[in-house]
Amino acid sequence: RKEVEQDPGPFNVPEGATVAFNCTYSNSASQSFFWYRQDCRKEPKLLMSVYSSGNEDGRFTAQLNRASQYISLLIRDSKLSDSATYLCVVISGGYQKVTFGIGTKLQVIP
Amino acid sequence: NAGVTQTPKFRILKIGQSMTLQCAQDMNHNYMYWYRQDPGMGLKLIYYSVGAGITDKGEVPNGYNVSRSTTEDFPLRLELAAPSQTSVYFCASSLDRDRWIQYFGAGTRLSVL
Repeated sequence: RKEVEQDPGPFNVPEGATVAFNCTYSNSASQSFFWYRQDCRKEPKLLMSVYSSGNEDGRFTAQLNRASQYISLLIRDSKLSDSATYLCVVISGGYQKVTFGIGTKLQVIP
Repeated sequence: NAGVTQTPKFRILKIGQSMTLQCAQDMNHNYMYWYRQDPGMGLKLIYYSVGAGITDKGEVPNGYNVSRSTTEDFPLRLELAAPSQTSVYFCASSLDRDRWIQYFGAGTRLSVL
């Protein structure tokens, strides 16, 4: 099993739709989790950290499910500008090891 | 405020050539990183540094070398380029207290032919 797994997509959704991505991780002792956004041929940029209790930033909600070992990202009211690849990042090994997922590609269609 | 600056943006190398990928940050971050990103793969950590004079290997260090003589600069050296090193290389930096909240440069696209 891969350390971090993401469905590469693409997820094609109409504007205004709600879409959710999951990211599963294999190390139950993983400490920290993040979502990064990467536009085509650009650098990754931090979207949000994922807290145990779940957290929201505008239209974006991130959640952590330690029992089932996955994190999720929910995007409400999708905009064309949300089209990008969303990378999940898992920190383990006593905050020493970083593992990036391959990313899930989202395409928001007019 | 430029953030993290990488040069060059693109480069084509012949097998066996060497080159240095430059990375500079102006945010006074102690932590700096080099990653490579291959199609269909997640970013892989090559080397990282926790401050001037201190570097350590990441997940895929073979074929690369780094140095950190100043807080600002963290160059990545390829000594004998191989086709397997064809990739997009990203440099990143972060604060000590939030080391995994990273700021990335725009990347260097390298082809080894």
